[in-house]
Amino acid sequence: KAGVTQTPRYLIKTRGQQVTLSCSPISGHRSVSWYQQTPGQGLQFLFEYFSETQRNKGNFPGRFSGRQFSNSRSEMNVSTLELGDSALYLCASSLGGTYNSPLHFGNGTRLTVT
Amino acid sequence: QQQVKQSPQSLIVQKGGISIINCAYENTAFDYFPWYQQFPGKGPALLIAIRPDVSEKKEGRFTISFNKSAKQFSLHIMDSQPGDSATYFCAASLTGANNLFFGTGTRLTVIP
Repeated sequence: KAGVTQTPRYLIKTRGQQVTLSCSPISGHRSVSWYQQTPGQGLQFLFEYFSETQRNKGNFPGRFSGRQFSNSRSEMNVSTLELGDSALYLCASSLGGTYNSPLHFGNGTRLTVT
Repeated sequence: QQQVKQSPQSLIVQKGGISIINCAYENTAFDYFPWYQQFPGKGPALLIAIRPDVSEKKEGRFTISFNKSAKQFSLHIMDSQPGDSATYFCAASLTGANNLFFGTGTRLTVIP
């Protein structure tokens, strides 16, 4: 079974631009979560989508948004990029039908904002 | 405010030794405690997980010990191998939620 796929692997953007990251979950998984990983703040939860609906949201500004499509694929968008948005963005999928179903992470998208 | 506190930040162990990583939490509404292993350039991978109704869970060389009254849990890696060298994260999630609160990570180095 293919794992969680995130594209692109690396991205370089300029401050003020916007960016869209993509995530394809494991086949059959209906929940997709996004996390930000930085050396200073560690791993922080952004949001979770289940059956195309945002089910939970972390403590990030409104510049961070996401969506999920009917095939469970998900995208994350960051608008008006700031230098502090430079991070590894990780997507995780799970069956999602019950809470605490194991999360399977992709290898992330490394975003650098200059 | 860090919801889950993890120590040590780094750990060096001889091959064959026992690696021990500790975590503590305050929120008694946490009811699921997984451990993740992350290699450079890769995403975290679930290693083992425990719920508060169990005091210990073992899977191969990996054991979680859970102390509900002290609000602490730990990961023990027996017979540590160089291939175990990675960053380990403890985490917790609230009742009825999927989002994880992660510890700050422990970089483990196993010396041959």
